[in-house]
Amino acid sequence: GAGVSQSPRYKVAKRGQDVALRCDPISGHVSLFWYQQALGQGPEFLTYFQNEAQLDKSGLPSDRFFAERPEGSVSTLKIQRTQQEDSAVYLCASSLAPGPIYEQYFGPGTRLTVT
Amino acid sequence: DTKTTQPTSMDCAEGRAANLPCNHSTISGNEYVYWYRQIHSQGPQYIIHGLKNNETNEMASLIITEDRKSSTLILPHATLRDTAVYYCIVRAPFQGGKLIFGQGTELSVKP
Repeated sequence: GAGVSQSPRYKVAKRGQDVALRCDPISGHVSLFWYQQALGQGPEFLTYFQNEAQLDKSGLPSDRFFAERPEGSVSTLKIQRTQQEDSAVYLCASSLAPGPIYEQYFGPGTRLTVT
Repeated sequence: DTKTTQPTSMDCAEGRAANLPCNHSTISGNEYVYWYRQIHSQGPQYIIHGLKNNETNEMASLIITEDRKSSTLILPHATLRDTAVYYCIVRAPFQGGKLIFGQGTELSVKP
C-alpha cells in the first residue's frame, strides 16, 4: 500500500519567507509526528498529533514553527519568517495508533534550504 | 535526552553477519528498544523492536540482555544495500511514543 508522502521534496526559501510543508500519512493512521534533521545529525522530535489533537509540541524550536492537522489526516508544518538555521530535512512519520508497540513509518522528507 | 550509546561506525564484509551493539543502561521497565536505519537521502526505515524477549523478523534479529541494559541488532547476511546509519532508540510509552534518536552507527558493508 501507499506509504507516507511529503511535499515538496525540496524547497528553497529566501530568509524571511514563510513556507508550508505537507505530510500525507498512511490512511487510517491515528498518530502523526514531525521531526527535524540537521545535516549529519539524527532526527529530532518536533511535534505529535493524535488524530486532530496536537498533544505534544515540546520540540518546536520557536513560535515561528506551527503545525496543524485539522481533519486528522493530512498535516502541514508551517515556518514563518524563515532563518538560515531552519535549513534541514523535515521528516513526517505516522503510526497506526498511540503507544510504543506501534512502529512509526517515515516519509522521504522535505529538504528545506534557506538562503 | 538520548538514552542509548552506540559505536560511531562499523565495517562488515558482504555475506557475513553484522552485529550492531547498543547500550541503554538507564532503560525503564516499560520502555521498548527500537531499531531504525537510514539510507542516505531517505527517511528512517523501521527494522525491529522488543521489550524483554529476543525478536526476529525478515530483516533482522534483536537480542536483549536479561538485565535489559544492552542489546544487539543482527543482520544475518549483510549485503551492500545494508550500508546505512543504524539507530538504537529507547522509546517512551507515553505521549504517543516519540522517538529520540542519537547519533547512530554508520555501518559500511564492503565487498
